[in-house]
Amino acid sequence: GDSVTQTEGQVALSEEDFLTIHCNYSASGYPALFWYVQYPGEGPQFLFRASRDKEKGSSRGFEATYDKGTTSFHLRKASVQESDSAVYYCALGDNTGNYKYVFGAGTRLKVIA
Amino acid sequence: EAAVTQSPRNKVTVTGGNVTLSCRQTNSHNYMYWYRQDTGHGLRLIHYSYGAGNLQIGDVPDGYKATRTTQEDFFLLLELASPSQTSLYFCASSKTGGGGNTLYFGEGSRLIVV
Repeated sequence: GDSVTQTEGQVALSEEDFLTIHCNYSASGYPALFWYVQYPGEGPQFLFRASRDKEKGSSRGFEATYDKGTTSFHLRKASVQESDSAVYYCALGDNTGNYKYVFGAGTRLKVIA
Repeated sequence: EAAVTQSPRNKVTVTGGNVTLSCRQTNSHNYMYWYRQDTGHGLRLIHYSYGAGNLQIGDVPDGYKATRTTQEDFFLLLELASPSQTSLYFCASSKTGGGGNTLYFGEGSRLIVV
């Protein structure tokens, strides 16, 4: 079945550091790819998505590029702030009309001021 | 922006107890979902629905029932709660089905089964 792997369970950075969270997927077909962010005490919220190869999604300074060749959708930000501390989820969505979403296990980001 | 409201936000029950988690969305979305969130597993789909009276089985349905009474309201029922159901539960909605759609989540219901 479809799956999403986030390599890092936790990431600790200082403010203004560069962030990369790795996301790789396995899917039959051509899924949509998402990043969601979850702040403490809240539900996950949509960050951005990409639907086709080489498409870049971005929001709030975060970005990721859909790479079908390496089956990846890595999240990057050039300069993190303490307010970016949250859990980040990579997810894929079956684009064939199915309900199917598959979420990764999540990556907890802690940014130290 | 879609509004998804869950209640209760926190619940403690005993093993074998009865629990109902409620979810209401006010943005006229057709699809509603129940997920559980556990460390190391991310979000796992329990049940979902594409309209009033409809119920579809998700990936981890054992021990859970659900009912969609109206377009707005979706309930998750645990009739014989077990400690393994201690978790953080999220309701979500989306305008239509299909994995290309954005999910809108509620703030979560934390359930502890002792």
